[in-house]
Amino acid sequence: AQSVTQLGSHVSVSEGALVLLRCNYSSSVPPYLFWYVQYPNQGLQLLLKYTTGATLVKGINGFEAEFKKSETSFHLTKPSAHMSDAAEYFCAVSDGGSSASKIIFGSGTRLSIRP
Amino acid sequence: DAGVIQSPRHEVTEMGQEVTLRCKPISGHDYLFWYRQTMMRGLELLIYFNNNVPIDDSGMPEDRFSAKMPNASFSTLKIQPSEPRDSAVYFCASSAHPVQEAFFGQGTRLTVV
Repeated sequence: AQSVTQLGSHVSVSEGALVLLRCNYSSSVPPYLFWYVQYPNQGLQLLLKYTTGATLVKGINGFEAEFKKSETSFHLTKPSAHMSDAAEYFCAVSDGGSSASKIIFGSGTRLSIRP
Repeated sequence: DAGVIQSPRHEVTEMGQEVTLRCKPISGHDYLFWYRQTMMRGLELLIYFNNNVPIDDSGMPEDRFSAKMPNASFSTLKIQPSEPRDSAVYFCASSAHPVQEAFFGQGTRLTVV
């Protein structure tokens, strides 16, 4: 069975500071990993995903994440926060190996940006 | 494609009434997911379909909830009878495959009073 744990339900950083949102996963097979962003009153949008290959994945809006198998982690980072980054961020995992595969989401981390 | 379309966007109903939420997935997507989002429980997977067939409904909270997908372009999530604790935002998402991006609708905000 797969699961995702996001450490910290709320993260606050200053504008221009580093953003680090933590995600750890559990999967019995090689995982497919995703980060989604949700702006108020909207559905989720894909930021980036890891399937196979390069472990450092770049996404939209300057975000990137690194797959670390030894640490079962897939943390999301952005070098310099912008006010428009304020949103809720969800890490997700899928085993992807069969027609019965599904996508499981973490509990989310709300990112606030201080001026 | 217009994306995943959900209706209605907002629904307010009285306890005990039947509620039906609707979803039109993106054409060509074989997978359809129903999620529920609340402050307390976050984003929960209720049920998902592959090629119109329910694959896993273990997330459906109880028998009051049911979901159908009569064809590739339409799905419903029904709650009967509704209760105040069902108040949440319900999202429908579709995907070509679980390793591909899931596209979400705008959600239906359900309030049961």
